[in-house]
Amino acid sequence: GNSVTQMEGPVTLSEEAFLTINCTYTATGYPSLFWYVQYPGEGLQLLLKATKADDKGSNKGFEATYRKETTSFHLEKGSVQVSDSAVYFCALNGRGDYKLSFGAGTTVTVRA
Amino acid sequence: DAGVTQSPTHLIKTRGQQVTLRCSPKSGHDTVSWYQQALGQGPQFIFQYYEEEERQRGNFPDRFSGHQFPNYSSELNVNALLLGDSALYLCASSLSGASGLQFFGPGTRLTVL
Repeated sequence: GNSVTQMEGPVTLSEEAFLTINCTYTATGYPSLFWYVQYPGEGLQLLLKATKADDKGSNKGFEATYRKETTSFHLEKGSVQVSDSAVYFCALNGRGDYKLSFGAGTTVTVRA
Repeated sequence: DAGVTQSPTHLIKTRGQQVTLRCSPKSGHDTVSWYQQALGQGPQFIFQYYEEEERQRGNFPDRFSGHQFPNYSSELNVNALLLGDSALYLCASSLSGASGLQFFGPGTRLTVL
């Protein structure tokens, strides 16, 4: 079945540092890929998405590129802020599937 | 434009009781999915409703049931509550055929004592 594996956290960074969160997936065919963010006490917000190979999703300074050859969708941000502290989830939607399959989440803490 | 709304925000129940959670989808959306998020874990898919029918179901027991109304809002019912049902329950809405693009509500925090 479809599955997502994320790098384990927690990740602690200083402000303005570079952030990378690794995400790899297993799926039949070519799924759509997503990054969601969850701030403390809140639901999930869509951060970015990509629907086909080599697509780059971007939003709020975050980027992720759909790499079919490595089945990866790593999240990056060049200069993090304290407000980026949250839990980040990688997710996929398989072709012909209705559900989202999520990774376990990576907790990111940015210190001033 | 209102996003996805859920009620109640928090709920405390005891083992063996039954609970109903409610969700109103984002304006214009016709599909509702429910997820369970245990503490420190990623959301797990419970089921999805479209055209008032359960379209897909995850690996959850029959104690978990749902309903979708003609106005696209939805309910999640859980019977015979267990301690392990304590979690954040998330509702997500989408447009049918939107390739998994789902928008989430703030969730209902269920605590089973």
